[in-house]
Amino acid sequence: ETGVTQTPRHLVMGMTNKKSLKCEQHLGHNAMYWYKQSAKKPLELMFVYSLEERVENNSVPSRFSPECPNSSHLFLHLHTLQPEDSALYLCASSRDVTSGSYNEQFFGPGTRLTVL
Amino acid sequence: AQSVTQLGSHVSVSEGALVLLRCNYSSSVPPYLFWYVQYPNQGLQLLLKYTTGATLVKGINGFEAEFKKSETSFHLTKPSAHMSDAAEYFCAVSAQTGYSTLTFGKGTMLLVSP
Repeated sequence: ETGVTQTPRHLVMGMTNKKSLKCEQHLGHNAMYWYKQSAKKPLELMFVYSLEERVENNSVPSRFSPECPNSSHLFLHLHTLQPEDSALYLCASSRDVTSGSYNEQFFGPGTRLTVL
Repeated sequence: AQSVTQLGSHVSVSEGALVLLRCNYSSSVPPYLFWYVQYPNQGLQLLLKYTTGATLVKGINGFEAEFKKSETSFHLTKPSAHMSDAAEYFCAVSAQTGYSTLTFGKGTMLLVSP
């Protein structure tokens, strides 16, 4: 595997279910990100991790719980979601979290989540 | 705070025609600027970026963009559209200092007809 991978690619869940999204990067990066992509809205940054430490949390509801056990893996734990949480969830990674001309973000293919 | 405006949620061109996708940004200090492309059922792929230096930036697949500070614009162009260019395009900015988080525009869907 190369780049950034995400599993599952598609997920359908009920509002009472608990599920997890997984992201893995094979680029040796130290920073990882979760974004939410909803129809007709800009991509929304949800969480930022640097060396397994959360450095940004953009007012995301507590029903979304991130976990970063190491610099290669990032999870998004989901519980008691709402239908409006249906979206494409994208993971990204970058060399590190500080701004710089070299610091490009690489994106995974996303998980298409549908909440019934 | 930074923001990005992409004019036109959909742009339609004929194959071989010029592609022009517009992006304007708002930032208190000059930001880094990016264009990403998203093909159906895929993640975002970086097309090109402006950080410093030459204001005309060339990217992959024949695309280029010009940073115009006076107009706060970073429009994306391609001289001749191919069918394979049909995708959604996102303009994004990030600060030159601090965290490298991206602020995205809403995206422009490029439709290419034969």
